[in-house]
Amino acid sequence: DSGVTQTPKHLITATGQRVTLRCSPRSGDLSVYWYQQSLDQGLQFLIQYYNGEERAKGNILERFSAQQFPDLHSELNLSSLELGDSALYFCASSVGAATGELFFGEGSRLTVL
Amino acid sequence: AQTVTQSQPEMSVQEAETVTLSCTYDTSESDYYLFWYKQPPSRQMILVIRQEAYKQQNATENRFSVNFQKAAKSFSLKISDSQLGDAAMYFCAYRSAGIGFQGAQKLVFGQGTRLTINP
Repeated sequence: DSGVTQTPKHLITATGQRVTLRCSPRSGDLSVYWYQQSLDQGLQFLIQYYNGEERAKGNILERFSAQQFPDLHSELNLSSLELGDSALYFCASSVGAATGELFFGEGSRLTVL
Repeated sequence: AQTVTQSQPEMSVQEAETVTLSCTYDTSESDYYLFWYKQPPSRQMILVIRQEAYKQQNATENRFSVNFQKAAKSFSLKISDSQLGDAAMYFCAYRSAGIGFQGAQKLVFGQGTRLTINP
């Protein structure tokens, strides 16, 4: 158990819909990262938050947005969903640069029909 | 931008044998971290081993060890005495050290190597 909690674990929805994925980082971790993993692909970095502020952006579509709340949990909002958005979405957290590694949640599997 | 390359999409090894997975990376930075993550069929991302770039000594974790060649920008993973439970996708990853700056500390992943263990 990494200590990072993601909900929901599985989600099936239709094209054009909007979903919200939630992540609770490990206790004490201030950074939250979101990654997308399409079928048999590597992990693509979407966005990073640190203590409530956006710090780095990757290949995140304009239809996607995220935020980190004062209690440090984060939400990834995906709107106007397309078939190609079907993927495993990972949240990870870290304390910062001191330890280096990211700890990953179990992922949220999104299926868009 | 940093890039990570895993040139072996698939590897297989006999149970109890040794296998080495390759990884190269490209960076202009001198201070960084390198990682190997394992992704079994459950899809959970599990940290296998980490290496700090400033350390010359290669990291080891039980049956897992790395060969870190900083000048060559190479970071291979050796798995000794392979077990059936080692079957998974293995990802090499790079992360800037960025001490004091939280803006560029994302992990950059390679495309992965699928490891099969033959009984």
